[in-house]
Amino acid sequence: NAGVTQTPKFRILKIGQSMTLQCTQDMNHNYMYWYRQDPGMGLKLIYYSVGAGITDKGEVPNGYNVSRSTTEDFPLRLELAAPSQTSVYFCASSNGGGYTFGSGTRLTVV
Amino acid sequence: GEDVEQSLFLSVREGDSSVINCTYTDSSSTYLYWYKQEPGAGLQLLTYIFSNMDMKQDQRLTVLLNKKDKHLSLRIADTQTGDSAIYFCAEIPVYNQGGKLIFGQGTELSVKP
Repeated sequence: NAGVTQTPKFRILKIGQSMTLQCTQDMNHNYMYWYRQDPGMGLKLIYYSVGAGITDKGEVPNGYNVSRSTTEDFPLRLELAAPSQTSVYFCASSNGGGYTFGSGTRLTVV
Repeated sequence: GEDVEQSLFLSVREGDSSVINCTYTDSSSTYLYWYKQEPGAGLQLLTYIFSNMDMKQDQRLTVLLNKKDKHLSLRIADTQTGDSAIYFCAEIPVYNQGGKLIFGQGTELSVKP
């Protein structure tokens, strides 16, 4: 039972490049979430999904996009990377209660 | 508003007790959570408390809940250097669609030998 798996663990992007952060869970959880964590700022919700085919914006969605074609996968897409998107990104899943988190993706945009 | 408040830093000596405090927003939140984040790692669920409880004890951890004041605390007895981490409290307000956890800013616990 792997829980929540995020790839890649680290990535350096140039300004204007695009990339997809992958997230998959094997617990059959309906709810999935993407957060970003900046030093001293806690976690900010980017997007979330309550089930396959359903996504919604969180607190800081600008510059990001998501899809949820299956229960297991919830990829996060950055279309035009900007330095302000340098952060640590966490994916999480739940069945409506406490979350299970992935180990994070550390992204640097230069 | 949806602000869960925590103090940012706490420093204790090894063997002392640590108390991390949190004020949350919604007195009707069903569960309240404590997460631990070690350096360079994701968040781990440490413990949680159901809103009809005042206290929950789990080995060295004691969670106290004061619903009237919307105050939650985490006490770590006999704090060890391995307890050094960031601790987040979190709630899921009843009015919140999608089961979204609202996190505090995190309290960085530093344990000195």
